[in-house]
Amino acid sequence: GQSLEQPSEVTAVEGAIVQINCTYQTSGFYGLSWYQQHDGGAPTFLSYTALDGLEETGRFSSFLSRSDSYGYLLLQELQMKDSASYFCAVREGSGSARQLTFGSGTQLTVLP
Amino acid sequence: ETGVTQTPRHLVMGMTNKKSLKCEQHLGHNAMYWYKQSAKKPLELMFVYNFKEQTENNSVPSRFSPECPNSSHLFLHLHTLQPEDSALYLCASSQDQSGGPDTQYFGPGTRLTVL
Repeated sequence: GQSLEQPSEVTAVEGAIVQINCTYQTSGFYGLSWYQQHDGGAPTFLSYTALDGLEETGRFSSFLSRSDSYGYLLLQELQMKDSASYFCAVREGSGSARQLTFGSGTQLTVLP
Repeated sequence: ETGVTQTPRHLVMGMTNKKSLKCEQHLGHNAMYWYKQSAKKPLELMFVYNFKEQTENNSVPSRFSPECPNSSHLFLHLHTLQPEDSALYLCASSQDQSGGPDTQYFGPGTRLTVL
């Protein structure tokens, strides 16, 4: 099995930069994904990283260090609409269907 | 309709009731999933179907019974549930292919309350 740890809550102000960390313990690793979920909404895919380093996609960037079993999601120029829960996820199992194990989620609150 | 849809959006049921949750995906994907989301807990994978075949059952109690009649539809049949089964039940789909991101597309969920 796999376990993922991330902070439960993060607070920041509009325009700031925030980093949400994720550490994982796995018997195998097939890439780290990030999902966003607004209150009352469905989780939506943000990013996927399988190689070490930083990948930038607009205001959001994702970092991975496989040797440290660690990754983070970096959100820049925070906006109020970024207030949501953010989940890291790692593929679990070697079966034919993609199975994800999710962290508990980090509740991001953006203040004006 | 686009994406992944789920019905009903809200459901209240007694412990002796039998009900079903429905999920439909309009994305042409070949894999579908049921997750349970409880407050302050990680998303818990319940069932996985790939090409209509169940590939995983993560030790889910038998009071939850999945059905996948085709690659676009997924049901979760519920009977004699317990109050602790109250949660948000999310359906997701993905296109299983070698390599690439494990992108799953989620429906809006069914908020289930068991009295």
